Amino acid sequence: EVQLVESGGGLVKPGESLTLSCAASGFTFSNARMSWVRQAPGKGLEWVGRIKTKTEGGTTDYDIPVKGRFTISRDDSKKTLYLQMNSLKIEDTAVYYCTTFGSGYWGQGTLVTVSS
Amino acid sequence: QAVVTQEPSLTVSPGGTVTLTCGSSTGAVTSGHYPYWFQQKPGQAPTTLIYDTSNRHSWTPARFSGSLLGGKAALTLSGAQPEDEAEYYCMLSYSGTRGVFGGGTKLTVL
Repeated sequence: EVQLVESGGGLVKPGESLTLSCAASGFTFSNARMSWVRQAPGKGLEWVGRIKTKTEGGTTDYDIPVKGRFTISRDDSKKTLYLQMNSLKIEDTAVYYCTTFGSGYWGQGTLVTVSS
Repeated sequence: QAVVTQEPSLTVSPGGTVTLTCGSSTGAVTSGHYPYWFQQKPGQAPTTLIYDTSNRHSWTPARFSGSLLGGKAALTLSGAQPEDEAEYYCMLSYSGTRGVFGGGTKLTVL
């Protein structure tokens, strides 16, 4: 059974940092491009960024609002995807999902709340 | 930055057929945008229905189909069921480097 389990969400103040994790199981993680998607309360889905496989160079792409503040990385030995978020803003408040778009799998999400 | 547009809301009768569309501010949607369609029910994570324009996953009911129609990506639901009431999102890929979601279509089965 495929599982993606996000963790690391919580309440932080503006300007602080937070790192999310996504633990994968049930598929060959190292062969999968992985992405982060977020959803602000009551709003639609927003693409955050993606990391390619190591074979493809492990390159990353980000949406404009998070570029330079967020970093996506992966540890294939741990089958884990990460999202390091720096200089958090109130508008970063959202449920963050990890997903393998190509294979169609989604985690259940983890809530990040940025508030003073 | 590209904007992806969807109908804000649609209504379909049980057993009826409805088509949701997904347009791009940059021009016609093509297979090169690798259109995706997702379904999200309240309080749940999204699920992927369609990838690469028209491919279903093993869990996608056959009543859902994807296509390109009139310069847009389209999701057609034939034989709507009450459980199909949900929010539907499309996503397009631009230059293979970033994805952009549409604003979502709230589908009511009534």
